Amino acid sequence: GQNIDQPTEMTATEGAIVQINCTYQTSGFNGLFWYQQHAGEAPTFLSYNVLDGLEEKGRFSSFLSRSKGYSYLLLKELQMKDSASYLCAAVDSNYQLIWGAGTKLIIKP
Amino acid sequence: NAGVTQTPKFRILKIGQSMTLQCTQDMNHNYMYWYRQDPGMGLKLIYYSVGAGITDKGEVPNGYNVSRSTTEDFPLRLELAAPSQTSVYFCASSYEAGYNEQFFGPGTRLTVL
Repeated sequence: GQNIDQPTEMTATEGAIVQINCTYQTSGFNGLFWYQQHAGEAPTFLSYNVLDGLEEKGRFSSFLSRSKGYSYLLLKELQMKDSASYLCAAVDSNYQLIWGAGTKLIIKP
Repeated sequence: NAGVTQTPKFRILKIGQSMTLQCTQDMNHNYMYWYRQDPGMGLKLIYYSVGAGITDKGEVPNGYNVSRSTTEDFPLRLELAAPSQTSVYFCASSYEAGYNEQFFGPGTRLTVL
């Protein structure tokens, strides 16, 4: 079967760094997305990785290891506005997205 | 550009009623999707379309129907609403499948009582 695992909830402090992990098992693999979703709003795109390695985009970075079926999203210099759910989604062999349940990130002052 | 728009934002239905959720995109995207999101669960694909006149089932299509007569519009029809269809529904679009970013509408919060 196809499965995405990510922690349900994480707490971090304003100004700190947090890493949100995601492991995936899919029939075929064509990349991995991270989306941000604030409460009551729609998901918005953060990153897409298809090759192994780290991609940096401002305060946010995303890492992929295809051999380990593993990805993480790294958020630096946390701000209160980063309080949101972070959704991991893997692209399977049919180019469909398989979504994780999301990680709710709580930022404390 | 308005992006992806959805109507209505909220709706309460009685069991057995029917309704259509509207979705429109103005980005000339080929692919459009309907998802439902239940609390604590990932997004589940209901139906998708790869272009006007072409639709296909996703993971959870039962109780729903779609049509795609134009590139812009992708309405979702609920027939005989059931409490299990209480959810938040998101419409999304992308230029191509898979590796292309999906753009989401603001969602419709539906309650079936």
